[in-house]
Amino acid sequence: RKEVEQDPGPFNVPEGATVAFNCTYSNSASQSFFWYRQDCRKEPKLLMSVYSSGNEDGRFTAQLNRASQYISLLIRDSKLSDSATYLCVVNNPPVSGGYQKVTFGTGTKLQVIP
Amino acid sequence: GAVVSQHPSWVICKSGTSVKIECRSLDFQATTMFWYRQFPKQSLMLMATSNEGSKATYEQGVEKDKFLINHASLTLSTLTVTSAHPEDSSFYICSATPDRDSYEQYFGPGTRLTVT
Repeated sequence: RKEVEQDPGPFNVPEGATVAFNCTYSNSASQSFFWYRQDCRKEPKLLMSVYSSGNEDGRFTAQLNRASQYISLLIRDSKLSDSATYLCVVNNPPVSGGYQKVTFGTGTKLQVIP
Repeated sequence: GAVVSQHPSWVICKSGTSVKIECRSLDFQATTMFWYRQFPKQSLMLMATSNEGSKATYEQGVEKDKFLINHASLTLSTLTVTSAHPEDSSFYICSATPDRDSYEQYFGPGTRLTVT
């Protein structure tokens, strides 16, 4: 099983639609979770952190389900500018004084259609 | 704040030559820097992690002698691809964090390497 799994998509949705992505992770000790957005041929940019209590930022809502080991991202009222690849990122704690382990999902591609 | 730059943004080199990529944190001191590689339509793969003044920790399958990492100061890390081959052509991205215990990373804009 992959450490972090995402549906690659693409998700083709009309403007104004609501779309949701899930991401599952395999390490129950994972501590921090993020959603990043990556545009074609660009570096990833942090979209939002994912907290246990869930968090919302405008049209974006992120949630964490530790019991089932998945995180989700909900985008409401999709805009054309939301078209991008959304990367799920899971951080695991350092092992034996080493470094934190950062694992990226393969990303889910979203295409918002006029 | 939290800006990370990379140089060059793209480079074309001949097979067998070496290429150095610089990663700089412009407005903060980066105790830890990460180097990633991303092939087309694939996710970012962590290559190595480095702390300033110490040796980098390489991920499994990444050759230390081929990908030389030097984190000489709190604002600069370099990745040198030695004896580059066409299969090394990829998008190389660095990220930096001001605090080793911080989980938030700031990414550079990436360097697109093409080896002919």
